[in-house]
Amino acid sequence: RKEVEQDPGPFNVPEGATVAFNCTYSNSASQSFFWYRQDCRKEPKLLMSVYSSGNEDGRFTAQLNRASQYISLLIRDSKLSDSATYLCVVNSPSGGSYIPTFGRGTSLIVHP
Amino acid sequence: DADVTQTPRNRITKTGKRIMLECSQTKGHDRMYWYRQDPGLGLQLIYYSFDVKDINKGEISDGYSVSRQAQAKFSLSLESAIPNQTALYFCATSDGGTNEKLFFGSGTQLSVL
Repeated sequence: RKEVEQDPGPFNVPEGATVAFNCTYSNSASQSFFWYRQDCRKEPKLLMSVYSSGNEDGRFTAQLNRASQYISLLIRDSKLSDSATYLCVVNSPSGGSYIPTFGRGTSLIVHP
Repeated sequence: DADVTQTPRNRITKTGKRIMLECSQTKGHDRMYWYRQDPGLGLQLIYYSFDVKDINKGEISDGYSVSRQAQAKFSLSLESAIPNQTALYFCATSDGGTNEKLFFGSGTQLSVL
């Protein structure tokens, strides 16, 4: 079982839709959590950190559920420019430190 | 100028050749990482380094080696390239800490024929 799992999609939604992605992680001792965005064959870029209290950045809301070991990303009022792959990243324990571990990514396609 | 620079951007080579991918950063970060990405897959960790004297294997280190020449430079070598090492390679840096965030280079597309 992979340490960090995501539904690869693609999620195909119309402009203006609300879409949600989930990501599960296997190690309960994982420390910090992030969503990155990756455009085709480009480098990943940080979208937002994820906290238990939930955090919002404009149309994007992220939430961490430590008890169930998953994180979520909600995108409201989808734009064409939101089309990308969304990568879940979990800092997992490894050899006395924490290492960023990636999920496979979830592909989002927003169509007119 | 980019904070994390990878060279080359693209490379085509033949099976059995030795290849070096280079990464340099101006962010002053201690931690550096090498990842590979295959189509439809996430990023898999090859090697990482927490400082110049600290090198660690990641989940897929076989067939690769690294060198941390300075805080700012972290090179990845394929001693004898094989076709299944064809992939997109990313270097990343971070400053560590409890809320560690990664900063990536633009990537190197490597094709092994």
